[in-house]
Formats: sequence, structure tokens, C-alpha cells
Amino acid sequence: DAMVIQNPRYQVTQFGKPVTLSCSQTLNHNVMYWYQQKSSQAPKLLFHYYDKDFNNEADTPDNFQSRRPNTSFCFLDIRSPGLGDAAMYLCATSRDFSEQYFGPGTRLTVT
Amino acid sequence: DQQVKQNSPSLSVQEGRISILNCDYTNSMFDYFLWYKKYPAEGPTFLISISSIKDKNEDGRFTVFLNKSAKHLSLHIVPSQPGDSAVYFCAASGSTGSGGGADGLTFGKGTHLIIQP
Repeated sequence: DAMVIQNPRYQVTQFGKPVTLSCSQTLNHNVMYWYQQKSSQAPKLLFHYYDKDFNNEADTPDNFQSRRPNTSFCFLDIRSPGLGDAAMYLCATSRDFSEQYFGPGTRLTVT
Repeated sequence: DQQVKQNSPSLSVQEGRISILNCDYTNSMFDYFLWYKKYPAEGPTFLISISSIKDKNEDGRFTVFLNKSAKHLSLHIVPSQPGDSAVYFCAASGSTGSGGGADGLTFGKGTHLIIQP
């Protein structure tokens, strides 16, 4: 029983071509996070939603946007992917900032 | 500059022996620490945590020790089993709530633990 689902698991996009990554959850958690993890690096928080309130990290590039149409779904939009955006993107959820539950991640390749 | 450091990218331990994974942090505002375990092609899964008001927390084969004065924590796994082979991430939180509060979690780069038969 998957609790945090990320689709697709692998995504290939072209340089500059917009791409959307998807995350859904069956936990009914009110907080959803997006992390970026580059090879051999620590996962880095991009932004999170607390209910409908969007909270952007100060150093997250403008190229990254997010949408949360309802409690269950959250999307990561990369408007103009560059080669440096190739990474694993992890979605996580929590109930009021308690322990975070992670999805399996989407590995993004930019060609 | 990394606020959470795991200086050993990999660690090899014989099955049945003790595995000790280390983590150092620099931000004195961190007050909650977590360990996550990650298998290939899966997301990190929560393993064990410790609040800064404690110096030890135990859960079965897993024990986390916190030395606040040294800004150091360690995860002990005993006895080590083949299924423990994974990447272990140390994470820290400086806000209310063990999930990191509004600042989320700050992760280390991970240590790849390999349990040898």
C-alpha cells in the first residue's frame, strides 16, 4: 500500500522544455514537501505547502514552481530545465511537521 | 557550507558485528535529529530520532547517541544484518515538530553501509 506516490519514476526532458513532476499521498497529511537531491549530495528542501500555504526556500530558483490543487496532490513544475537541474526529486509529507514520509522519487534527466 | 556532515561516504561491516555511523552538525539551533534509511530506487524511510533533551534513544537493534557539547551524534546497529545494507542519512531540525517545522529537514550526504556476510 503505497502512501506517497511519485510519477513518473524516471523522466527525461530536453533542455528548456517545461516538465511537471507529480506527487500524491494517501495519508491525508497536511504538509507536503519537495526536495532536490543531486548525485552524492544531501537532499535539499525546495519548498513546502502547509495546507494551502506555499513556503518557498530563499535559495530555490524561480525556475521551480509548485502547485497543490488539493490535499492529496502536489506538483513540481520546472519551467525551463537546465542541465544542472538533473537530479532526484523527492516528495515528502507530514502531519503538522511531524516525521516526514518520503516517496520513491523521480529521477530527472535533462538532455 | 554543510550544516550536517557525514564524513564517511561508505562503511563496510561484517554481519553480526556492530555498525557505527557518525554525524556532525554545526548549527547550535538544531534540537531534533533523525536517521533515515534509503534502499536503491526507494525514498528515505524514517528509522529513529532523538530530541536534544536526551542523550540516547533505543529502538530494538538501533540506538542513537547525541553529544550536544561536541555537536555529534551516532547511530549504532547491533547486531548488523544483511538487510541493513543501505544508505543512511542523518537529518536535523531546528523548529518545533520532529519533521523540521517550517524550515524542513537539513540532511547530510549519507553513508553507504555495506554488511558483509
